[in-house]
Amino acid sequence: EFVLTQSPDTLSLSPGERATLSCRASQSVGSDYLAWYQQKPGQAPRLLMYGASTRATGIPDRFSGSGSGADFTLTISRLEPEDFAVYYCQLYVIPVFIFGPGTKVDIK
Amino acid sequence: QVQLQESGPGLVKPSETLSLTCSVSGVSISNYYWSWIRQPPGKGLEWIGYIYYSGSTNYNPSLKSRVTISIDPSKDQFSLKLSSVTAADTAVYYCARVAITVTGTGFDYWGQGTLVTVSS
Repeated sequence: EFVLTQSPDTLSLSPGERATLSCRASQSVGSDYLAWYQQKPGQAPRLLMYGASTRATGIPDRFSGSGSGADFTLTISRLEPEDFAVYYCQLYVIPVFIFGPGTKVDIK
Repeated sequence: QVQLQESGPGLVKPSETLSLTCSVSGVSISNYYWSWIRQPPGKGLEWIGYIYYSGSTNYNPSLKSRVTISIDPSKDQFSLKLSSVTAADTAVYYCARVAITVTGTGFDYWGQGTLVTVSS
């Protein structure tokens, strides 16, 4: 059974700082099938990255994704006030989708 | 632009069947995969299942015995039925479009979500 873990659970940072979020799969996977989402309170999730490193339409370039195998990273180069939210990674293990538990990025 | 809107009862009694419909506008429902995802209050996201416009489906193994997703291309709608619900099925239910491209896969458009509470 595939499991996704995300770390840390919570990341407390100040605006302007760099955020590094980790997503680890229980087995090696194809990077094509790894996506990241941002969710703010009361809103639906928003697709940020797909294929591990491709930004979705309209996503600013301060967001970047990397990784391969079982380890993936979402980096926010300089946190803007609107970036404080919960971030989920998601894997497509044909034919099912799996979400990680999320990382909350909050204001320090 | 692509928009999705969930509709259905906000309150369902235990042991009954939860039924929701997602109406799609701004794009034809054809040639895409469409999905249901839920989020219990204060918790993370759980994928429920998806359907192709042709009617082929795949479900989360943990829910498979209780879930049916159907599609009506003539109305640009797809639907979710979840049977024998319990309080554990209380959640915000989202519908979403599945983007499958040569460079990756993800849910690129989402509805606003609808809260369904299971309670007598």
